[in-house]
Amino acid sequence: SQQGEEDPQALSIQEGENATMNCSYKTSINNLQWYRQNSGRGLVHLILIRSNEREKHSGRLRVTLDTSKKSSSLLITASRAADTASYFCATDLYNFNKFYFGSGTKLNVKP
Amino acid sequence: DTGVSQNPRHKITKRGQNVTFRCDPISEHNRLYWYRQTLGQGPEFLTYFQNEAQLEKSRLLSDRFSAERPKGSFSTLEIQRTEQGDSAMYLCASSGQLSTGELFFGEGSRLTVL
Repeated sequence: SQQGEEDPQALSIQEGENATMNCSYKTSINNLQWYRQNSGRGLVHLILIRSNEREKHSGRLRVTLDTSKKSSSLLITASRAADTASYFCATDLYNFNKFYFGSGTKLNVKP
Repeated sequence: DTGVSQNPRHKITKRGQNVTFRCDPISEHNRLYWYRQTLGQGPEFLTYFQNEAQLEKSRLLSDRFSAERPKGSFSTLEIQRTEQGDSAMYLCASSGQLSTGELFFGEGSRLTVL
């Protein structure tokens, strides 16, 4: 089974609104990453947060990590139609040797 | 462009045929990964190479699947006696020795087994 699971499975918002996606995982991790995938394309890395970090920012992205709850959230502020994509969290168990992806959140940003 | 390159992008084959996919990683990257992704799901780990050594192989990978990275550069993923259940997007990713863990993905090879 997948290590990470995203919630919600689908999210539809208006342009300009904020989008929040959550990821839960099962076992201890070294780091957690978020990726974006446009339909039919490869995945693009967005941001990485290490297990000893609690929050990280990159442009309009904000990621939090709660290792006690084994969960992470991705916040996209002031969303744009171009943010429409699927978003996946990925966790590594053994220091970059194997990455497990969740099933993703499909975000639709309406113009 | 020096990104990860995958070929072919699309492959349609009949059940029982063999198919091979090729991945050319970013040139200085020593780690190479293969993932499989079906519609609506996240990528599933298949196998991982560090240089030419195959260090991890998922139990999802049946004996019909084999991957190689003969010179530690490009990699091939072969599926023998394809089945309809093999229909999926096969994704290749690479990362560097001193990487922070970021994976660089190719655009994928979509397999349709009729």
